[in-house]
Parts: sequence; structure tokens; C-alpha cells
Amino acid sequence: GQQLNQSPQSMFIQEGEDVSMNCTSSSIFNTWLWYKQDPGEGPVLLIALYKAGELTSNGRLTAQFGITRKDSFLNISASIPSDVGIYFCAGQLNTGGFKTIFGAGTRLFVKA
Amino acid sequence: GAVVSQHPSRVICKSGTSVKIECRSLDFQATTMFWYRQFPKKSLMLMATSNEGSKATYEQGVEKDKFLINHASLTLSTLTVTSAHPEDSSFYICSADILAKNIQYFGAGTRLSVL
Repeated sequence: GQQLNQSPQSMFIQEGEDVSMNCTSSSIFNTWLWYKQDPGEGPVLLIALYKAGELTSNGRLTAQFGITRKDSFLNISASIPSDVGIYFCAGQLNTGGFKTIFGAGTRLFVKA
Repeated sequence: GAVVSQHPSRVICKSGTSVKIECRSLDFQATTMFWYRQFPKKSLMLMATSNEGSKATYEQGVEKDKFLINHASLTLSTLTVTSAHPEDSSFYICSADILAKNIQYFGAGTRLSVL
């Protein structure tokens, strides 16, 4: 079946550092989504990408839809303590109906 | 926009009882809603896809008689955990799909603890 490989699994960084995480797959996706989940909460949509090569920013966050449509990355610049959480990528396929597949998540820890 | 409300946020129940969790799209209509289960430090596990006016589609390994899903209107889906057991304790999260965007917006989740 379709799978997303999200890495790294976890990151421990110092406040102010930049962060990068990515997702890859052997499948081609129509849409890539990035979510953030705070402890005890549901995931919140950060960025949605619709076209191959698309680069989109949301404040200090930047995400790109890979040219091959099989990968995406998320960058966070100048991290702050409230960036702590789990970041999930999600790829969307159209298989006669839309199917969304989630990565395993990247746990981000920011040390002040 | 795109607010999804999930209730309750936390529930503690005795083994053998049933628990109902509600998922509402507050400012949009959702023909499709999704129910996920999340174990500690794990990713989201899709349990079922709920379609308004029709039967839910369950993922492999999810017991449909155990996890009853009803999607009676375009803004409400419910998940009922029947005859709950301690192993059903988990974090349950719903999401709703905006038809034109095919993007899932999530509720805040329900922490179920079965004693």
C-alpha cells in the first residue's frame, strides 16, 4: 500500500535555530499537507500544497511540493519554544475518491 | 473558517458502558468526516470514513459493531464506542473534509479512559 516516510522522527534544537523535516514516498500525490499537533490537541493545518514545485510560506514556515510529486519538505526558521509539537505531513491521492495518508510525525523539542 | 468542534474533550467511563463522541463542522458543510485513533507517541490511525446519509467505510481491523458511526447531517458525525473495555482507552480525533478543497480539518480530540 501507499506509505509516507517522514524524517526525522524527532529533533532537539536550540531556540533560534532553523529546522527542516521531510516526507518521501514511492507514490505520486496530488496534494501535500503539513499539520502541527500540540499535546492533547487535534492537528492544525499549517500549509497546503497543490502543484509540483510549489513553494509556500506561512510566517516562519516554508514548505515545498517536490517536482516529482513524491516528496515535500517543511522548514521552520528561527524556532521559538511554542514551535514544540508533532509535525505531520499528509499526502493526498485521487484513487477514485480522495485518500489521505499521514506520515508518522516529527516530534520537535525546542530548548530555550 | 473551517472550525471543527469535537465533544467531549475528555471522558472517563466504566468498563461495559457505551460512550458517544460528537464531531461537528461549525462553519461549513462536510459530506465526509473521518475518525482516527491515536496511541501515545504514534501517528494517526484512520478508523473509518463517515459519509453523510450512508454507511461508514471502516478500515481493515476496525470492528464496525464496536465503533458505531452515524453521519445524519452535513454538519454532524458521531462515534459510539460500545461496551467499552480498558483497551479502548485512547485519543480519538475526528476530521471534516471541505468538499471543494479536499482538505481535512481536525477536531481537538477526545481522551477516552475506560476503567
